[in-house]
Amino acid sequence: DGGITQSPKYLFRKEGQNVTLSCEQNLNHDAMYWYRQDPGQGLRLIYYSQIVNDFQKGDIAEGYSVSREKKESFPLTVTSAQKNPTAFYLCASSIVPANIQYFGAGTRLSVL
Amino acid sequence: QQPVQSPQAVILREGEDAVINCSSSKALYSVHWYRQKHGEAPVFLMILLKGGEQKGHDKISASFNEKKQQSSLYLTASQLSYSGTYFCGIQRSGSQGNLIFGKGTKLSVKP
Repeated sequence: DGGITQSPKYLFRKEGQNVTLSCEQNLNHDAMYWYRQDPGQGLRLIYYSQIVNDFQKGDIAEGYSVSREKKESFPLTVTSAQKNPTAFYLCASSIVPANIQYFGAGTRLSVL
Repeated sequence: QQPVQSPQAVILREGEDAVINCSSSKALYSVHWYRQKHGEAPVFLMILLKGGEQKGHDKISASFNEKKQQSSLYLTASQLSYSGTYFCGIQRSGSQGNLIFGKGTKLSVKP
């Protein structure tokens, strides 16, 4: 079955630590996205990539970094510069930008 | 800017109808609607394009008013399974294609 796999489902970060959230898709989609979801805030775009080896900042990129070395993979690193990382993180993909987005099950990140 | 969704929350009894609105201050090219159940991933419902017709799926339909830069989602004869948070995502005219999502409308359907 095609889809998007995010791991881990739950993640805990210590002070000053970088953590990486995984996102893999086997839908052969060109575009991939990372969103942050806080209660009552909707989905806010962190980074997006329209093609391999290229990505752009979204509205709230500070304290995050990404890479897109393979079409299937778009990992997100939450760096120690992100002072309020506790949130639900969603990865999505679409065939091309602005087409239907398919979401992973999400990773819930908490701070120890 | 984020589109504005209204209402923020609504509680229905099974069989009742609801309308959720999504408004933008800028010209729109398309509007996407998604539903998210608690703790799960958002799921695509439908997409409306500028100049397109009203869409529908089962008892859920949506319209796109270009003059008002607004889309409305209509849920008819609601079922318990309709409960969740509904998000609209807008693509502005002339944009590169990324969606900007609203804050969501929480719908609760009671027996």
